[in-house]
Amino acid sequence: DIQMTQSPSSLSASVGDRVTITCRASQSISNFLNWYHQKPGKAPKLLIYAASSLQSGVPSRFSGSGSGTDFTLTISSLQPEDFATYYCQQSYSNPLTFGGGTKVEIK
Amino acid sequence: QVQLQESGPGLVKPSQTLSLTCTVSGDSISNNSYYWTWIRQPAGKGLDWIGRIYASGSTNYNPSLKNRVTISVDTSKNQFSLKLNSVTAADTAVFYCARVNYGSGSLDYWGQGTLVTVSS
Repeated sequence: DIQMTQSPSSLSASVGDRVTITCRASQSISNFLNWYHQKPGKAPKLLIYAASSLQSGVPSRFSGSGSGTDFTLTISSLQPEDFATYYCQQSYSNPLTFGGGTKVEIK
Repeated sequence: QVQLQESGPGLVKPSQTLSLTCTVSGDSISNNSYYWTWIRQPAGKGLDWIGRIYASGSTNYNPSLKNRVTISVDTSKNQFSLKLNSVTAADTAVFYCARVNYGSGSLDYWGQGTLVTVSS
């Protein structure tokens, strides 16, 4: 199985901050990397697919980059509705696997 | 608007079979641009992929479930289903069904999730 490691596991930030979350794969996954966020009691929501493509309807303050084993999700200016847990997911090979999550909390 | 809705018992006894159905609306389950998947999330933990099914009925499962899982599809009802047998308390989780983009492997639409508790 491909292991996905996210860092940090949690962070505190203020509205307006630039936030960066990283995800590392245990082997190369090309650009088969997707990002989601999840609010308490809700299903995850797709933000970025194929490492850097913005899902329809997702605000442009979200961006993704990377290829191979190292990937980054950036929120350019954190908004109140962005406080959530963020997950990366590889779709390069079965079984699909997710990172452990990064909880973004209010400072 | 694509919508997915999970349904099934919220309580299952140990050693029995967990059965859930996902009803899809706003899209045909036979759409070849997508396939369909089940994910579970134990309370306070991360996301675990259970398996996937194509409209053709072809499946792939997470080896960690050690042959306990079966996913099936009913194209006439626009539904797909999950069966997980020999359940234990460790299988207690919120179960999600989702649509997966065939090209990117991204899960673009999710059901709201249903909590299944394994307890006697």
